[in-house]
Amino acid sequence: GQNIDQPTEMTATEGAIVQINCTYQTSGFNGLFWYQQHAGEAPTFLSYNVLDGLEEKGRFSSFLSRSKGYSYLLLKELQMKDSASYLCAVPHNAGNNRKLIWGLGTSLAVNP
Amino acid sequence: EAGVAQSPRYKIIEKRQSVAFWCNPISGHATLYWYQQILGQGPKLLIQFQNNGVVDDSQLPKDRFSAERLKGVDSTLKIQPAKLEDSAVYLCASSLLTWESDTQYFGPGTRLTVL
Repeated sequence: GQNIDQPTEMTATEGAIVQINCTYQTSGFNGLFWYQQHAGEAPTFLSYNVLDGLEEKGRFSSFLSRSKGYSYLLLKELQMKDSASYLCAVPHNAGNNRKLIWGLGTSLAVNP
Repeated sequence: EAGVAQSPRYKIIEKRQSVAFWCNPISGHATLYWYQQILGQGPKLLIQFQNNGVVDDSQLPKDRFSAERLKGVDSTLKIQPAKLEDSAVYLCASSLLTWESDTQYFGPGTRLTVL
């Protein structure tokens, strides 16, 4: 079956760096998504990793290790507006259908 | 490019009443998803359409929930009758669903409160 684990909550300080981990078990790997969701809003796409390594996109970077079933989202120079839930998701193929399996999300609180 | 549109944004009803949500996906996106998200949890897929056909409705409570996507564009999700546990945010998302790119783009959601 498919399973995704990520920490429930994290706290960090403005200007710092924080790493949000995600581990997954899935039959047949087809990449990993990170989404950001502010309270009361819809999830917004952050990154998609399909190959091993680090992909940098401004203050946000996402890392993937397929052999370890592990990914992390790295947020640098934290700002107050980064306080949000960060959701890890992996595609799952079932026949001709492809859908996302979602983690429960990591709620990040950035303090001044 | 216009994003995914949803209406209404908020809805308050009493249990046993009916409610309907509307979604207009991004133009050209063949795949449309309805999710239910309870506070503090990740999105739960209710139903997935490919054009106007259903490809996954395994987690849709079919005794009370129904959805359609006529003409393969707009979609409606209906709950009849509503229960207290249906209080949640209902998210609509769409994607191109090519093998190279199936990034899902979400609408603002409808926050449903069942009293």
